Amino acid sequence: VQLVESGGGLVQPGGSLRLSCAVSGYTFSNNAMTWVRQAPGKGLEWVATILLDGTRKFYVGSVKDRFFISRDNSKNTLFLQMNTLRAEDTAIYYCVTGHWLDYWGQGTLVTVSS
Amino acid sequence: DVVMTQSPLSLPVTLGQPASISCRSSQSLVDSNGNTCFHWFQQRPGQSPRRLIYRVSNRDSGVPDRFSGSGSGTDFTLKISRVEAEDVGVYYCMQCTHWPPITFGQGTRLEIK
Repeated sequence: VQLVESGGGLVQPGGSLRLSCAVSGYTFSNNAMTWVRQAPGKGLEWVATILLDGTRKFYVGSVKDRFFISRDNSKNTLFLQMNTLRAEDTAIYYCVTGHWLDYWGQGTLVTVSS
Repeated sequence: DVVMTQSPLSLPVTLGQPASISCRSSQSLVDSNGNTCFHWFQQRPGQSPRRLIYRVSNRDSGVPDRFSGSGSGTDFTLKISRVEAEDVGVYYCMQCTHWPPITFGQGTRLEIK
C-alpha cells in the first residue's frame, strides 16, 4: 500500500490550497479515506473523512465550511480543498486509509504565514 | 466529543525493561453491537504514524509480539514487554466508536533512560 500526498506549501492567511493523495496497492473505491494533521511539535488531529462512494463527508468543527474533502475513485485519488486558511492550519497533513486509519502517507507540509 | 486521556505523557524506560501506557476515554467505547473501535499508533522520530494495535488487542501485520493491547469500556493499556531502541517515539491512542469526530490521546513520548 502506498499513499503519496502532494500540494502542500506556503500560503498567506486567507489563501487556498488543494492537497492530493494518490493511492496504490489498496482497494480505494471500497473504503473510506481520511485526512489527519499534525501541527509542529503537536499531536494528531483528525480533519475529515469521506465514505467510499463520496456521498457522505465528515469534518472536525474547526474546518467546517472551509475545507472540503473529495475523491476520484477512477483515479484512486483523494483531495482536500482548503480555503480561508489560518495560521492555526499550519501542519503536516497525512492521507490515511479508512476511518480505522490502517495506512498512512508520508505527509505534506502546509504553512500558513504572511 | 469523546476525550482520550493518556498517561504518562513522558515515559523513560531502560532497554530490556517493560513499559506500559494507559488511555482513558470520557465515555465507554463499546457500541450498541458490543464492538469497540479503539486503536494504538506509534510515531517514530521523523516518521509518519503507523497503526500498531487495532480493536483494542489485535496486532497489525509486522508488529513485534512484545507489543500487546488490552482493556475495555473506558480503560485501555498498551504494554511493551521488553523495550528496544527502535521503540523510541510517541504513542497515541484513538477512538472511532463515537465518531465523528475521531479523537486521539495527547500522545506519550517513550525514551530510553
